Amino acid sequence: DVKVTQSSRYLVKRTGEKVFLECVQDMDHENMFWYRQDPGLGLRLIYFSYDVKMKEKGDIPEGYSVSREKKERFSLILESASTNQTSMYLCASSPTGTSGSLHPYEQYFGPGTRLTVT
Amino acid sequence: ELKVEQNPLFLSMQEGKNYTIYCNYSTTSDRLYWYRQDPGKSLESLFVLLSNGAVKQEGRLMASLDTKARLSTLHITAAVHDLSATYFCAVTLQKLVFGKGTKLTVNP
Repeated sequence: DVKVTQSSRYLVKRTGEKVFLECVQDMDHENMFWYRQDPGLGLRLIYFSYDVKMKEKGDIPEGYSVSREKKERFSLILESASTNQTSMYLCASSPTGTSGSLHPYEQYFGPGTRLTVT
Repeated sequence: ELKVEQNPLFLSMQEGKNYTIYCNYSTTSDRLYWYRQDPGKSLESLFVLLSNGAVKQEGRLMASLDTKARLSTLHITAAVHDLSATYFCAVTLQKLVFGKGTKLTVNP
């Protein structure tokens, strides 16, 4: 079974703090993703990575950065948290088509981190 | 730009009834996913549809894909309360693009 874990289920931070959200997957997947989920807006892609040290901006990268130093770990960084970053953050991983997976690109999600910025 | 639209966004139904959720997408793709999300929880993969005409069934849920019409349906048969959740479809062009989700409530 694919397992994607996230460092915290709930997090409360103050405005201006630097926030790290960590995600680890144990299936040797090449691709990892960070989304935020807000009521009425669905899932929106923040950043993704298709290899170690590689990153690509998603649809809403402003105010965020990411780090992927090891294949299994993908970190989301809020450099200076703001109240409009209060949200549910979901991490996901997926294999690529070249990995031999029956379902390339199918994403496996972590449990989510509910972040509140006050 | 790939757009994915689901309807309805909210669905309240009685136990025992049937209903269909629709997922339209704007750009050719031959791979579509359905996910389920329970309140406060993460997304769980339900179905992967890989080709035109694909049909998958699991319990009271059946998903189908028509790539020519760029349409997938998720059909619910004889709904039960345990099916209450939000259902997302997602289409891939290297990355997944999600619909906004359909919040299903099944009432006794």
